[in-house]
Amino acid sequence: EPEVTQTPSHQVTQMGQEVILRCVPISNHLYFYWYRQILGQKVEFLVSFYNNEISEKSEIFDDQFSVERPDGSNFTLKIRSTKLEDSAMYFCASVKDRFNGELFFGEGSRLTVL
Amino acid sequence: AQSVTQLDSQVPVFEEAPVELRCNYSSSVSVYLFWYVQYPNQGLQLLLKYLSGSTLVKGINGFEAEFNKSQTSFHLRKPSVHISDTAEYFCAVSQTGANNLFFGTGTRLTVIP
Repeated sequence: EPEVTQTPSHQVTQMGQEVILRCVPISNHLYFYWYRQILGQKVEFLVSFYNNEISEKSEIFDDQFSVERPDGSNFTLKIRSTKLEDSAMYFCASVKDRFNGELFFGEGSRLTVL
Repeated sequence: AQSVTQLDSQVPVFEEAPVELRCNYSSSVSVYLFWYVQYPNQGLQLLLKYLSGSTLVKGINGFEAEFNKSQTSFHLRKPSVHISDTAEYFCAVSQTGANNLFFGTGTRLTVIP
């Protein structure tokens, strides 16, 4: 069964460093998402991406964050200068049909900022 | 905007007993409703979804949920739980025609042998 894959599974970084989280969505999916889950809190929407551009973003997704699809298969989330409060589990998701309603999630990348 | 409330943060239940996990939502527009499960150290897996049609929705692993528009609820039920059902359960809502999900804070179901 096709699945969304994410790397790394866990990354530890120093505050102020840049981090790139990578995702490979399901191959025939067209819409891509990043969500995050701070430990013990709800899963929060960050950004959605379609046709090589951001279609929607939350207030969490500030100038420190960026996304791109560099090669037609990977979908990346970059945090330019990490802060302690960026420590969270980051989930990538994809969906084929915008109106289908079912997002397929990866297993997540745990980011720890020291 | 949409929001989801899961009133129960933790639900312990004995094996083979029935369980109901509560979910209430608020929205000014039509919505899609979902339940996701998160097993330890894993991602989110879709249990079931309501898009339209029958208000009783059956999902994987013997779970079902009922959409109640008048009460703005989408409670998850299972008649007999197993140890393997121990996990975190998230209710989520999205506006119809959109995919951005708004999640509740989750309910940790613990099945006791």
